[in-house]
Amino acid sequence: AQKVTQAQTEISVVEKEDVTLDCVYETRDTTYYLFWYKQPPSGELVFLIRRNSFDEQNEISGRYSWNFQKSTSSFNFTITASQVVDSAVYFCALSEAYQGGKLIFGQGTELSVKP
Amino acid sequence: GAVVSQHPSRVICKSGTSVKIECRSLDFQATTMFWYRQFPKKSLMLMATSNEGSKATYEQGVEKDKFLINHASLTLSTLTVTSAHPEDSSFYICSARPPGTGLGQGYTFGSGTRLTVV
Repeated sequence: AQKVTQAQTEISVVEKEDVTLDCVYETRDTTYYLFWYKQPPSGELVFLIRRNSFDEQNEISGRYSWNFQKSTSSFNFTITASQVVDSAVYFCALSEAYQGGKLIFGQGTELSVKP
Repeated sequence: GAVVSQHPSRVICKSGTSVKIECRSLDFQATTMFWYRQFPKKSLMLMATSNEGSKATYEQGVEKDKFLINHASLTLSTLTVTSAHPEDSSFYICSARPPGTGLGQGYTFGSGTRLTVV
């Protein structure tokens, strides 16, 4: 069965601190895709990154970076030098190749960045 | 880029009435759309997969007769909450995958509909 676990329900940091959001997944498929989305208070989902199961290269995009480790089934997300605008709920999600494209979301981590 | 428009963004309805939510792919044809539901401070739960020209596939525990999904064209899927009750109050969001993209390549989400049943 597929499952995504984001153990951190809420995180509060002060601006300019680095913060890592954890994501652990379960799947029986060898081909799958992992995603991170940001959901600001307005509710829309903002796509941040996608990774397929065959690409374990870490990625950096500006202040954002992602660490994908198949050995621990983790896909963690780090924000460097956090800013107030980073405050949002962040979701990790999994899509298995043979499940028709359904996204299974983690519980979400609410990040609060205080000035 | 691919855009999915969802309407209305907010709706308040009386208990017992039905509400229709529309999800449109504006610049691409979507053979498959997905409907999710999100309770306050909770995750997004997949309700159903909407397939153009055929019946929707509902996830376990989702009442088919209560949440009617119609995908009559390649650019429009609708979710109708029938005989709405306060417990149906939630945030509903749709998504679609543009054609030519692989299963894991991208999902475009609508902006969501906040339904309040009074």
